[in-house]
Amino acid sequence: SQQGEEDPQALSIQEGENATMNCSYKTSINNLQWYRQNSGRGLVHLILIRSNEREKHSGRLRVTLDTSKKSSSLLITASRAADTASYFCATDPEYGNKLVFGAGTILRVKS
Amino acid sequence: EAGVTQFPSHSVIEKGQTVTLRCDPISGHDNLYWYRRVMGKEIKFLLHFVKESKQDESGMPNNRFLAERTGGTYSTLKVQPAELEDSGVYFCASSQIAGMDETQYFGPGTRLLVL
Repeated sequence: SQQGEEDPQALSIQEGENATMNCSYKTSINNLQWYRQNSGRGLVHLILIRSNEREKHSGRLRVTLDTSKKSSSLLITASRAADTASYFCATDPEYGNKLVFGAGTILRVKS
Repeated sequence: EAGVTQFPSHSVIEKGQTVTLRCDPISGHDNLYWYRRVMGKEIKFLLHFVKESKQDESGMPNNRFLAERTGGTYSTLKVQPAELEDSGVYFCASSQIAGMDETQYFGPGTRLLVL
């Protein structure tokens, strides 16, 4: 079955630096969504990119999608301590609506 | 606009007991989903409602889990009898009808601990 995989598993950076997280998946998709989870809290939707889109921006977030490589990346620019969280990619398969999540990347931004 | 809400936020029960989780989706969202994350594993899909109908329940682990969405509004997920391996965080999400915003909006989750 399809599985999203994030890379790296954990990332530690200084405030102000950029953070890049990658996600790979295995089957055709309708869209790919990125979520954030702060410790002990729910999932917060960050951005959705459709299969016919290659890049999308939202504030300090930039997401790219390469369907030929079945991969996506999430870039957070000028990181802040408040960006410390787990980040998940989730793919919405071409047939069906169930999101398939990766294991997540734990981001720590040190102030 | 209120987001997806879930109740309770935490539940601690003993093996063999019954627990019922509730999810209230965003008003007007026809699609409702249940997911769960057991310790150390990925978030996994359980099932998908479109209004009151079960569209896909391929992720339900076994017949100890029963989900309902009477009237197409809120949904309940009952675990009976609960087992130790059912411990985890149960998330609910909702989205608009197909063709509109496909974003799935998640609730805060219910943390279930079976002792």
